Amino acid sequence: GQQLNQSPQSMFIQEGEDVSMNCTSSSIFNTWLWYKQDPGEGPVLLIALYKAGELTSNGRLTAQFGITRKDSFLNISASIPSDVGIYFCAGLFFSGNTPLVFGKGTRLSVIA
Amino acid sequence: GAVVSQHPSWVICKSGTSVKIECRSLDFQATTMFWYRQFPKQSLMLMATSNEGSKATYEQGVEKDKFLINHASLTLSTLTVTSAHPEDSSFYICSARGPGLTLETQYFGPGTRLLVL
Repeated sequence: GQQLNQSPQSMFIQEGEDVSMNCTSSSIFNTWLWYKQDPGEGPVLLIALYKAGELTSNGRLTAQFGITRKDSFLNISASIPSDVGIYFCAGLFFSGNTPLVFGKGTRLSVIA
Repeated sequence: GAVVSQHPSWVICKSGTSVKIECRSLDFQATTMFWYRQFPKQSLMLMATSNEGSKATYEQGVEKDKFLINHASLTLSTLTVTSAHPEDSSFYICSARGPGLTLETQYFGPGTRLLVL
């Protein structure tokens, strides 16, 4: 099925560093969602974006909905060990029951 | 955020048996539920979309007779893996949307790990 291009695939960073990851699509979306998944758990919603250009923060996390509606980025500032996990972007062009389109994930490792 | 639960969290069964996984929305009414399957180090793969009171819509390549989905109420959907085989071993995750939430937002359950011997 359709997928988003999410990059990078993986990152190894030092504790305290900032992190940036992004998703791009050939199709427009009217919603972008960012999730984090820990091993053996379901994805947990981090940030939801509903308007082009919207910039939303959740603690140390900041995400933006691209103006073209075809991209979004997620930044994590001052990373800590518990930020380790897989981050997924998901796009939705909402029309009734249309499912989310997921990126392949960014695996984040934080070195203390 | 909204809470979605799954039961059981893990299950081991013998080949040929059937396994039922429950997905419940605890604090909202889920008009639409989604079932996903995830293999190690991969993204989520949508299996089917179900609406309360109607038949599920299955993704291409997903056998509807093997993966039976029932969305009998606004808070409960079940996935039954019939005649399970080792290749059905995977991590199954449900997700839900509904009124009372922002409709474009979707919440996930904690997942069920299935191991078929």
